[in-house]
Amino acid sequence: EAQVTQNPRYLITVTGKKLTVTCSQNMNHEYMSWYRQDPGLGLRQIYYSMNVEVTDKGDVPEGYKVSRKEKRNFPLILESPSPNQTSLYFCASSLNGGSLQETQYFGPGTRLLVL
Amino acid sequence: QQQVKQSPQSLIVQKGGISIINCAYENTAFDYFPWYQQFPGKGPALLIAIRPDVSEKKEGRFTISFNKSAKQFSLHIMDSQPGDSATYFCAAIGAGTYKYIFGTGTRLKVLA
Repeated sequence: EAQVTQNPRYLITVTGKKLTVTCSQNMNHEYMSWYRQDPGLGLRQIYYSMNVEVTDKGDVPEGYKVSRKEKRNFPLILESPSPNQTSLYFCASSLNGGSLQETQYFGPGTRLLVL
Repeated sequence: QQQVKQSPQSLIVQKGGISIINCAYENTAFDYFPWYQQFPGKGPALLIAIRPDVSEKKEGRFTISFNKSAKQFSLHIMDSQPGDSATYFCAAIGAGTYKYIFGTGTRLKVLA
């Protein structure tokens, strides 16, 4: 089944404790992206990757890191989480990228609480 | 800053009625305008999309109307059904870029 998977689905952590949220897609997509969803703010893009080893900042990259060493995986790293990073996070992928007007497929989401 | 303004924030419609959600954008370099539908506990899913050289696109009960001069686009859901109850997001993608800008979302409830 074609899908985007994220792990973990739920995570409670404490301020300053490094964490990684994994994202994997099995559709051989070039483009992958991370979003956070907050009430009243909608979805905001954190980082995106056009291909292996090619990443760029979205609208809200502060406090996050990403890497794209393999086409299928795009982990999101919070080196020192803070309470304002408490949010619902989505990973997404598409064949080539937004400007080529293609469907973006979203994962099921990871709900993060930073105490 | 939010470059795509979406309204209303929430919407209640009777079954069989028309649901209308509006979005306005500021950046004239946007060249692709998708709408996403999100059910509770799920990720967003593409519903319908339009390019700025088209004024209207229809897929089943869902229609996008696009007004390039006013920099506005809207989603119309005809014959709204309780199963349409979800959160809807408009989005815009910049020409030659890979950045997505989403609206703040509209929570639609269709009463049976």
